[in-house]
Order: sequence, then structure tokens, then C-alpha cells
Amino acid sequence: NAGVTQTPKFQVLKTGQSMTLQCAQDMNHNSMYWYRQDPGMGLRLIYYSASEGTTDKGEVPNGYNVSRLNKREFSLRLESAAPSQTSVYFCASSQEYNQPQHFGDGTRLSIL
Amino acid sequence: DQQVKQNSPSLSVQEGRISILNCDYTNSMFDYFLWYKKYPAEGPTFLISISSIKDKNEDGRFTVFLNKSAKHLSLHIVPSQPGDSAVYFCAASAAGGSEKLVFGKGTKLTVNP
Repeated sequence: NAGVTQTPKFQVLKTGQSMTLQCAQDMNHNSMYWYRQDPGMGLRLIYYSASEGTTDKGEVPNGYNVSRLNKREFSLRLESAAPSQTSVYFCASSQEYNQPQHFGDGTRLSIL
Repeated sequence: DQQVKQNSPSLSVQEGRISILNCDYTNSMFDYFLWYKKYPAEGPTFLISISSIKDKNEDGRFTVFLNKSAKHLSLHIVPSQPGDSAVYFCAASAAGGSEKLVFGKGTKLTVNP
């Protein structure tokens, strides 16, 4: 019953460090997404991959890069972390782009 | 500019009563709407959706109503149970769901025993 698995669950970084958040899904879904959630805010889309081999920017892509490694895995990279990137990051997947998304349990990232 | 608004940050109801969570949107191109439920330290879970060709969709205790002219939708939970206590997010998309999902800020529902 894994669904969408995110690693790590928690991470503390110093400003300027780099970090890759990992996400894997075992539902054979075509589309995958990365969101961030800040206190008092809804989820905001960072990047998405509508299908294997494609990636596109979402609402807040600055400071991030992504890689759709294969159909199962979609990683999010912070090249030079900034305190403004302190957030909870959620990965999600869906069978197709216009279908309801299944979410992982999140990665809580703090940047000092 | 918030395109999806959940104006009530919190709502408290008694077990067994009806919970009504509201959501307003400003973008007239939105035609596909979803509700997600989120428990602390977990990811959101899809609850129910509705497309603009309908004005009501029902799934067990959960019913979503859509009023296109008012750009308003609501989620009704009947009867409410303590396990329904969570944050509920409204989300909307255009082009039948093919455009990016836009989420509201969420409403925290507390169901008191």
C-alpha cells in the first residue's frame, strides 16, 4: 500500500546548500507533481510532469529544478537553498493529467 | 490574486450534524472542481470532484454542490463524525481538468463528540 513515497521526511539545511527531494510512485501513473505548502496557504504547484520524458513549470518554479528519472520517480532539486524555501513539500501523482491526484506524506524542509 | 477562496479558516460542528464547507472562485474558465482532506503530518487525500456540467455530486456522506452563476461550491458532510476532523482544501482547474490545479487555503473542520 505504498502509493507515493517521499524521502526524506525531514531535513534541515544551511543557506546555500543543495538538496534533492526524492519521490516514487508504484501506481503506474503517468503524471507527477511537486507542490509546496506554506503556513496559512494552499498548495502551490512548483513543477509537474504530465508524462514520462516531459516536465513543465508550475506557479512557483524559481529556485528549483526537477528530473523525471523514469515513470516511477520524479525528483526535486534545490541548487542553492534559501530561507524562503522553508516549507512542506508534497509530491503527487495521477493516472492522467486531468485526474485526481494521490499525494505523498510530505517532506518538511527547514533552511537556516 | 486568489482565484480560489475559502473564506472560513475554521469550522466547528457537533457529531451527527451537517458540516458545510464553502469555496468561491473568480476564474470563469474553471470547470472542474475537487475537494481534498488533509490530516496533520499526512498528504492530502482526494474526496470528491464535480465538473461544470453537473450541479451536484454525491458519494456516501459527502455531497458537493456547484453554483456556476455565483461561482460558488460547497461540500456537505452528513452526518459529521469525529474522524472527519481535518483541513479541507477546495481546488479548481480549467479545460476539464487539463489545466493546473489551483488550491484554496483550506478550512479546518473540527467535529466535536
